[in-house]
Amino acid sequence: GDSVTQMEGPVTLSEEAFLTINCTYTATGYPSLFWYVQYPGEGLQLLLKATKADDKGSNKGFEATYRKETTSFHLEKGSVQVSDSAVYFCALSGSQAAGNKLTFGGGTRVLVKP
Amino acid sequence: EPEVTQTPSHQVTQMGQEVILRCVPISNHLYFYWYRQILGQKVEFLVSFYNNEISEKSEIFDDQFSVERPDGSNFTLKIRSTKLEDSAMYFCASSRLAGGPNEQYFGPGTRLTVT
Repeated sequence: GDSVTQMEGPVTLSEEAFLTINCTYTATGYPSLFWYVQYPGEGLQLLLKATKADDKGSNKGFEATYRKETTSFHLEKGSVQVSDSAVYFCALSGSQAAGNKLTFGGGTRVLVKP
Repeated sequence: EPEVTQTPSHQVTQMGQEVILRCVPISNHLYFYWYRQILGQKVEFLVSFYNNEISEKSEIFDDQFSVERPDGSNFTLKIRSTKLEDSAMYFCASSRLAGGPNEQYFGPGTRLTVT
């Protein structure tokens, strides 16, 4: 079945550092790929998505490119802020039609220190 | 901005008791989901619901679980006889459309503690 693997945390960074969180997936067909973020005490929020190979999703300075050849969707941000401290989840949704479930990776906790 | 809401935020119950977790999806959404996250583990899909019936469910979603849309706004998850291993954060989500690219909007979750 479908699966998502992402790097384990916690990842601790200083403000303005470069952030990369690796994510690889296994799926049949052509899944859609997502990054969700969970701030302390809140629910999951969509950060960005990509729906086909070579698409780049971007939002709030974060980017991720759908790489079908390496089955990866790594999340990057060039200069993190303290407010980026959160748990980040990579997820995929299969290519079939109705009511599609999300398959999540284990989450990566990021802590940005001033 | 519309959002998914869940109540209660924290529920403590004794083993063997029934519990109902409540969700109010975004009003023009048609597809509804429940996920759970056991502490320190992955977010796992439980069930999806459309047009008043279950469209997909996982192996976790056994006979102890049921879902219902009792009226035009609420979406509930019932656990008939709770076990210790049901302790987890339960997330409700909704989406306007189905299919891979369509975003699911998540609620803040209900933390269920079974003692």
